Amino acid sequence: DGGITQSPKYLFRKEGQNVTLSCEQNLNHDAMYWYRQDPGQGLRLIYYSQIVNDFQKGDIAEGYSVSREKKESFPLTVTSAQKNPTAFYLCASSTGTGGFLVNTEAFFGQGTRLTVV
Amino acid sequence: QQQVKQSPQSLIVQKGGISIINCAYENTAFDYFPWYQQFPGKGPALLIAIRPDVSEKKEGRFTISFNKSAKQFSLHIMDSQPGDSATYFCAASINQGGKLIFGQGTELSVKP
Repeated sequence: DGGITQSPKYLFRKEGQNVTLSCEQNLNHDAMYWYRQDPGQGLRLIYYSQIVNDFQKGDIAEGYSVSREKKESFPLTVTSAQKNPTAFYLCASSTGTGGFLVNTEAFFGQGTRLTVV
Repeated sequence: QQQVKQSPQSLIVQKGGISIINCAYENTAFDYFPWYQQFPGKGPALLIAIRPDVSEKKEGRFTISFNKSAKQFSLHIMDSQPGDSATYFCAASINQGGKLIFGQGTELSVKP
């Protein structure tokens, strides 16, 4: 089955700790994304990558870091610099820059719920 | 800067009724407008999407109406069913399906 796998489903972080969220896709998509979702709010873009070994900051990148060493994988690290990390984190992938009339649908994983304890 | 505004925040509809959710955008460079459906604890799934060269797109019970001059688009769910109860997000992007600007979401509840 093709899709996006996020792990773990639930994650608990102590104050001052870095944690890494995993995202793997087998859709052969070039582009991958990380979004953050807070209750009652839409999704906000943290980081995105259009190609291996390259990534760009989104709207709320402070306190987060990413890497893209393989096409299939785009892990997100929530660092201790992120002051309010409790949220639902969603990874997505798409074929990337599609151009007009090209299907560029973004597929989402099932999310990781991060809680600071 | 909030570039996509969605309303209402919540919506209650009787089974068989029509659910209507509205979105307005600011950036005229947007050229892709998807709607996503999200169930609790799950990731969003694409429901239907439209490009600005058409004014309406219909897929089954779901229709997007698009008004380019007003910079508005809406989702209509005909014959709403309890299984449609979920949170719906509109979004917009420029030439890239995944780098999306999302609306705030609408929590839809369809009563039997």
